[in-house]
Amino acid sequence: GENVEQHPSTLSVQEGDSAVIKCTYSDSASNYFPWYKQELGKGPQLIIDIRSNVGEKKDQRIAVTLNKTAKHFSLHITETQPEDSAVYFCAASRGGSQGNLIFGKGTKLSVKP
Amino acid sequence: ETGVTQTPRHLVMGMTNKKSLKCEQHLGHNAMYWYKQSAKKPLELMFVYNFKEQTENNSVPSRFSPECPNSSHLFLHLHTLQPEDSALYLCASSQDPGRSTDTQYFGPGTRLTVL
Repeated sequence: GENVEQHPSTLSVQEGDSAVIKCTYSDSASNYFPWYKQELGKGPQLIIDIRSNVGEKKDQRIAVTLNKTAKHFSLHITETQPEDSAVYFCAASRGGSQGNLIFGKGTKLSVKP
Repeated sequence: ETGVTQTPRHLVMGMTNKKSLKCEQHLGHNAMYWYKQSAKKPLELMFVYNFKEQTENNSVPSRFSPECPNSSHLFLHLHTLQPEDSALYLCASSQDPGRSTDTQYFGPGTRLTVL
């Protein structure tokens, strides 16, 4: 079955710097890769996703890149702000899998003012 | 805030108690999910319901019993739990889990503590 590895487990950056979180997956049939942000006391919230037919997607300060050959994808946050502090999860799934998203273990991002 | 609500937000129960968690989605979705989130472990999918039919049961112990009376409501009945069952239980919903572009939306979770 699918296995998703996520690194680093913790990341501390200065406000205004960039943050990068990386994930690798094992199932070459996976074709959907969402990223979730979970703030304290809340459930995970989808922030961006990418399908296997594109290599990069951007939404304001957030971008995701996908390398299908190497089976890895990354989240990039530019100009970080204190409100970006949260736990970020990557996930992978294949179509028709009845919702079986496989999650990474999460990255705790701290943005210091 | 999301269109998925969960009650209660916090629950403390003894090992011999029976309690239920409730989830409601206001997004018009057809599928609902239960996940378990434990410290330093990936989110674990427990159950999937699609059009009120259970389509996934990831080897979850029988002390957890799901119920889905309609596409908008999902329950998780708990009985004779163990301390290791203490975790955050998350509910999610999506439009169509059989579609590769399907997106899941999560509720805020119920923090469960088993004494």
